[in-house]
Amino acid sequence: DSGVTQTPKHLITATGQRVTLRCSPRSGDLSVYWYQQSLDQGLQFLIQYYNGEERAKGNILERFSAQQFPDLHSELNLSSLELGDSALYFCASSVEGQVDTQYFGPGTRLLVL
Amino acid sequence: EDQVTQSPEALRLQEGESSSLNCSYTVSGLRGLFWYRQDPGKGPEFLFTLYSAGEEKEKERLKATLTKKESFLHITAPKPEDSATYLCAVQGSNDYKLSFGAGTTVTVRA
Repeated sequence: DSGVTQTPKHLITATGQRVTLRCSPRSGDLSVYWYQQSLDQGLQFLIQYYNGEERAKGNILERFSAQQFPDLHSELNLSSLELGDSALYFCASSVEGQVDTQYFGPGTRLLVL
Repeated sequence: EDQVTQSPEALRLQEGESSSLNCSYTVSGLRGLFWYRQDPGKGPEFLFTLYSAGEEKEKERLKATLTKKESFLHITAPKPEDSATYLCAVQGSNDYKLSFGAGTTVTVRA
């Protein structure tokens, strides 16, 4: 158990809908990262938040957004969903020191029908 | 842009048959190279961080090594429970994101 929690574990929805994925980092970690894992793309970095502020962005679609709240939990919002958004979504957290080991949560499996 | 290439894509081993996985990388200023283990449908589980060329780390039957261009994960006398996908990732000096390779799926038969 990494100490990172994610809810829900599974999500099934229809095209055009909007969903919210939630992540709670390990105790003491200030950084939260979101990654997408699909069969053809592997693990891809989406976005990083550090202590409530956006720190870095990867190839995140404009339909996707995220935020980190004062209690440090984070939410990833996916809107206008398409079939191709079906994937595993992982959250990771770290202290963000000189070298940054990221610990991953169990993931949310999203299926868009 | 950081790039990570892992080989082979898949590896089938007999129990006790040692082997090595390769991770080649290009990165702008290596902050760290990471190895993770991932079981199907689960999140990546952290194994090792390597910081500089020449460094080695061990954990049970796994040993990771690092050069300036690549890293190896050696599996000694594997057991069926070592079956998993092993992911390599790099972190460059420009930011803290991880760039992952596609992984090597290892299957160990009893």
